[in-house]
Amino acid sequence: QSVLTQPPSVSAAPGQKVTISCSGSSSNIGNNYVSWYQQFPGTAPKLLIYENNKRPSGIPDRFSGSKSGASASLAITGLQTGDEADYYCGSWDSSLSGRLFGGGTKLTVL
Amino acid sequence: QVRLQESGPGLVKPSETLSLTCGVSGYSISDGYYWGWIRQPPGKGLEWIATISHSGNTSYNPSLKSRVTISVDTSKNQFSLKLTSVTAADTAVYYCARLILGAIDYWGQGTLVTVSS
Repeated sequence: QSVLTQPPSVSAAPGQKVTISCSGSSSNIGNNYVSWYQQFPGTAPKLLIYENNKRPSGIPDRFSGSKSGASASLAITGLQTGDEADYYCGSWDSSLSGRLFGGGTKLTVL
Repeated sequence: QVRLQESGPGLVKPSETLSLTCGVSGYSISDGYYWGWIRQPPGKGLEWIATISHSGNTSYNPSLKSRVTISVDTSKNQFSLKLTSVTAADTAVYYCARLILGAIDYWGQGTLVTVSS
């Protein structure tokens, strides 16, 4: 069981908005940056969000990140069928002195 | 464009040592950042294994620390992973990656390592 908790799955219709949560503690999300990754089957993860809410070059502004206390969220607006993928949150854990990932959330665009 | 490429055996026998190398192009490891390994068992989530700086400072996943060694060779612009005493539980896709502050911005394509006799 991952230290960072994500819902196993979320779903929404094309064009709608979906939010994926990531819950941690003061030793990780509460006092460290959160990042988000998108992974399609058979491919490497891709960085979507870093430093809680920053987007790398080339990532559409339909993807946004936020953090409050020991929890973080990834929001995707204007859902497209091409957004169907697994999404992972990540953070450093100061107690473990290691990087953590959430268990992943499978997004289905109905 | 930064590119990372994993290389190494795709099949390792139980109790033996898994050895992988990550070649980096488009960026000199000596210039900075951290470099690391992450793995993903089939059908499961991501697990951080180890990280190393350009100067050789290391950090390891506590659950794997006793079996893992990460090293860097700046002359060849590559870094490596050794995992000893492997079991079937170590079967996974192994990714090498570049780590920036709080995130992993470049990933290799991944290499499947199967532990089986």
